[in-house]
Amino acid sequence: GESVGLHLPTLSVQEGDNSIINCAYSNSASDYFIWYKQESGKGPQFIIDIRSNMDKRQGQRVTVLLNKTVKHLSLQIAATQPGDSAVYFCAERRNSGNTPLVFGKGTRLSVIA
Amino acid sequence: NAGVTQTPKFQVLKTGQSMTLQCAQDMNHEYMSWYRQDPGMGLRLIHYSVGAGITDQGEVPNGYNVSRSTTEDFPLRLLSAAPSQTSVYFCASKRGEGEQYFGPGTRLTVT
Repeated sequence: GESVGLHLPTLSVQEGDNSIINCAYSNSASDYFIWYKQESGKGPQFIIDIRSNMDKRQGQRVTVLLNKTVKHLSLQIAATQPGDSAVYFCAERRNSGNTPLVFGKGTRLSVIA
Repeated sequence: NAGVTQTPKFQVLKTGQSMTLQCAQDMNHEYMSWYRQDPGMGLRLIHYSVGAGITDQGEVPNGYNVSRSTTEDFPLRLLSAAPSQTSVYFCASKRGEGEQYFGPGTRLTVT
């Protein structure tokens, strides 16, 4: 069975509602942020990214908001669907260039049909 | 493109055994990395490589070795497996500042 994701914060959302998943980051020098989605038994998949010179970026049904003042990142999913049920991770790059991503602990999104 | 591939998908080891987790990518990405994922811990970086012949330690490197003799391959070696290394292991690759792609993972159990 799936052991990844135990003890994670969980967000339960009704199908069709909007979801907001939050992430706090610690390093004010971080210049690049990514949201990943991980379904059960699979590797993380890229959703959307944002650079530190932006405060908002939109994709298909998803929006990422960046508040550098309070070092906060959020992922908004519009019209949440059952297929959105997964664990969502934010990641930051703490220095410019080809440096490793640092991942948060993740949030489990559970969509109630 | 196959993307990032990992083998094996599942593995059970006894304490003290050694093994190599394989990772390959066919996207000509210069950057590759290994993460382990444990319940409630998110993804933690083990080792990474910014190009062939170059490797560096991540957050949790102890007990693991890597090498990068080619651009395509980045194997992760466990020299003497311990129960604390029971985890799901993910390999990832990217080019420059672009999106990082993950493999499907290897679920390792050490008894």
